[in-house]
Amino acid sequence: KAGVTQTPRYLIKTRGQQVTLSCSPISGHRSVSWYQQTPGQGLQFLFEYFSETQRNKGNFPGRFSGRQFSNSRSEMNVSTLELGDSALYLCASRLGTSDNEQFFGPGTRLTVL
Amino acid sequence: AQSVTQLGSHVSVSEGALVLLRCNYSSSVPPYLFWYVQYPNQGLQLLLKYTSAATLVKGINGFEAEFKKSETSFHLTKPSAHMSDAAEYFCAVNYQGAQKLVFGQGTRLTINP
Repeated sequence: KAGVTQTPRYLIKTRGQQVTLSCSPISGHRSVSWYQQTPGQGLQFLFEYFSETQRNKGNFPGRFSGRQFSNSRSEMNVSTLELGDSALYLCASRLGTSDNEQFFGPGTRLTVL
Repeated sequence: AQSVTQLGSHVSVSEGALVLLRCNYSSSVPPYLFWYVQYPNQGLQLLLKYTSAATLVKGINGFEAEFKKSETSFHLTKPSAHMSDAAEYFCAVNYQGAQKLVFGQGTRLTINP
């Protein structure tokens, strides 16, 4: 069974632009979570989607948004990019919201210049 | 608030020596606990998890961890370090019914030949 896939793996953007990252969960998994990883703040929860509905949201500004499609694939969008948005963005999937084990993708490395 | 503390941002051991990575959590109820490993430019891989069954948990690659409620700890150990163990290790907690993982700051493990 294929693992969690994320595209693209690397992105370079400039301040003020917007970006969309994509995540395809493991087949059959309906829950997708997003995390931001930076050297200063570590791993921080962004949001989780289940059945196309956002179930939980971390403490990030409204510039960070996401959505989930009927096939469970998820996208996250960051608008008006800032230098501090440079990070590794990790996606994780699990079967359902009652399952405690999350499976992580390889991440998308976003660099904002 | 949920929190996880990993003592020591960097740990260095010799090949063949004992590996001990420390993790303490804050909670008034038993949580689910996890150890993840991250190799350079990769996502997170689950090493092991505690979900209120046996307090001594065995994981992949020879790692194990013991849940000690009285000490609110979940330290990760491996009897004999191997060069391939060099990576960053994250302890994480997921409280029952919660929808997100809360991570420690990570411990970078270096293996000296």
